[in-house]
Amino acid sequence: DQQVKQNSPSLSVQEGRISILNCDYTNSMFDYFLWYKKYPAEGPTFLISISSIKDKNEDGRFTVFLNKSAKHLSLHIVPSQPGDSAVYFCAASEMSGNQFYFGTGTSLTVIP
Amino acid sequence: EPEVTQTPSHQVTQMGQEVILRCVPISNHLYFYWYRQILGQKVEFLVSFYNNEISEKSEIFDDQFSVERPDGSNFTLKIRSTKLEDSAMYFCASRRTGDQPQHFGDGTRLSIL
Repeated sequence: DQQVKQNSPSLSVQEGRISILNCDYTNSMFDYFLWYKKYPAEGPTFLISISSIKDKNEDGRFTVFLNKSAKHLSLHIVPSQPGDSAVYFCAASEMSGNQFYFGTGTSLTVIP
Repeated sequence: EPEVTQTPSHQVTQMGQEVILRCVPISNHLYFYWYRQILGQKVEFLVSFYNNEISEKSEIFDDQFSVERPDGSNFTLKIRSTKLEDSAMYFCASRRTGDQPQHFGDGTRLSIL
């Protein structure tokens, strides 16, 4: 039961350009969304979140956009840096709930 | 910055044996979680724990699994009789309040032989 989907398993971007990672969800009860970054042999690291009352949240080079009607969120990284190369997971939950549902991840490679 | 720590980093166990995975959540956090990630698959929720009891669990978290917070700092996951399909990375997470992001440990790689 894939409640959160990341349809692109990998993405390559030139350094300095924009990286756009996409995520779709099916459960209309989700109202809290997060992006995590994961390096090999490490746990997921929280990057940025957004609640359903907003459609955009920005933190430095990272911006998350939420389109509730399309049940779609995206993470924009501008400008992309080689250190951004990692697997990015989107996750969703109901604010009142405990369980986070993760996507399958997108492996981002930023080419110097 | 405070972090969630997990031990051991890698555990190798014979099928049918009991295994305990240990986690020390961030000290002022109140909600605790276990997730697992089978190689090549997505991160899957196992269980959440709050106020000294399980608050939510998934279908994966059957009678072979149990969690405990024995001393106010550690948070453990026990698998009573391991199966080959329990081989995975197990991540512990914690968060301070219900509207904060979860912070993850680096995981324990469990290998069942």
